Amino acid sequence: DAKTTQPPSMDCAEGRAANLPCNHSTISGNEYVYWYRQIHSQGPQYIIHGLKNNETNEMASLIITEDRKSSTLILPHATLRDTAVYYCIAYNTNAGKSTFGDGTTLTVKP
Amino acid sequence: DAGVTQSPTHLIKTRGQQVTLRCSPKSGHDTVSWYQQALGQGPQFIFQYYEEEERQRGNFPDRFSGHQYPNYSSELNVNALLLGDSALYLCASSLQRSSGNTIYFGEGSWLTVV
Repeated sequence: DAKTTQPPSMDCAEGRAANLPCNHSTISGNEYVYWYRQIHSQGPQYIIHGLKNNETNEMASLIITEDRKSSTLILPHATLRDTAVYYCIAYNTNAGKSTFGDGTTLTVKP
Repeated sequence: DAGVTQSPTHLIKTRGQQVTLRCSPKSGHDTVSWYQQALGQGPQFIFQYYEEEERQRGNFPDRFSGHQYPNYSSELNVNALLLGDSALYLCASSLQRSSGNTIYFGEGSWLTVV
């Protein structure tokens, strides 16, 4: 499983888009990019995942670069409840092992 | 449809004791992974179970062991507890059918070793 690198912290104004970057330059062809968030040390909450195409769901959008070495999670209209630690992992569920980094602490401010 | 459920939610043990944590995967899921999360850090992979066997293991000593039952539920056992084993223990479940499955986490079991 590939190592991912994220900025330790980011701020975002309420109502604005939050763009969270992730570097995964050693990602292999069969590894997906997954995003999770964790609030107050509850269990990580699944947000979105993708292989090479951009993905969108009711929570967020995932933009993956063409070379797949980096990605961006977009929360289109951040709210105070989006304040959390966001984790990006590169993972193949058939391989079993996954590696989390320390994530990005996103603080949404009024 | 219940998600991933873990028990107990909180427990306190004494150094040297043994602990068993339990996990029921999301309905329809057949694969269970366990993680340890120390305060202020990301989750660290312990091991994964599929078809009642340990498939992958992270960098954890043999004091950490597990089991998966035919109904896909799983247990994490930690022997000879150390103070450093105090952490949030997370269970995640998925379906082994394809490589891009959604993985769901439980709310975790908080273990304090005193």
